[in-house]
Amino acid sequence: DARVTQTPRDKVTEMGQEVTMRCQPILGHNTVFWYRQTMMQGLELLAYFRNRAPLDDSGMPKDRFSAEMPDATLATLKIQPSEPRDSAVYFCASGLGLAGESTDTQYFGPGTRLTVL
Amino acid sequence: SQKIEQNSEALNIQEGKTATLTCNYTNYSPAYLQWYRQDPGRGPVFLLLIRENEKEKRKERLKVTFDTTLKQSLFHITASQPADSATYLCAPGGSYIPTFGRGTSLIVHP
Repeated sequence: DARVTQTPRDKVTEMGQEVTMRCQPILGHNTVFWYRQTMMQGLELLAYFRNRAPLDDSGMPKDRFSAEMPDATLATLKIQPSEPRDSAVYFCASGLGLAGESTDTQYFGPGTRLTVL
Repeated sequence: SQKIEQNSEALNIQEGKTATLTCNYTNYSPAYLQWYRQDPGRGPVFLLLIRENEKEKRKERLKVTFDTTLKQSLFHITASQPADSATYLCAPGGSYIPTFGRGTSLIVHP
């Protein structure tokens, strides 16, 4: 049963520290998404990649967030320095997208719950 | 700007009744619309996709309609069960940056 995996599942850190979240998309999927979910804002798209190339990262605070796909089996989301307002659940999702279209079905990972003190 | 609206108030219904959830969108012409279910502490799970040329789609006790004139999708769960209690999110799609609605919480009482 293919699944998206995310690590760590929970992270508590202090303000100013670097946080790295990792995601392993489903093998064969060519599109990877990073979302942030809070009670106030709902599910917000931070960035997404197609065939490892960033397609859009306009939802991401550029000064402190960065997203990369070092290879097809790993996506990372980094926050440096972290701030209390970054506390949220971060989801990675993968899917199979066609050129000119967002992906159809997205398969979500279990999320990383980040708490910045 | 593109906007997706789902009822922010929880929908409370009795077991066995039909639950109907609404998704309205503006400034979109999506090629399709998806519905996802999210349980507490978990990621959303895909349920159904309906394309713009389809009026209705069914899967077991689930039914989705898509009215491109009204810019609205309705999501129905018939013979609802307490296990259907969750938050349901809609997501218009196509050649757009993926966007999800805030979701509507459904609570089915035994």
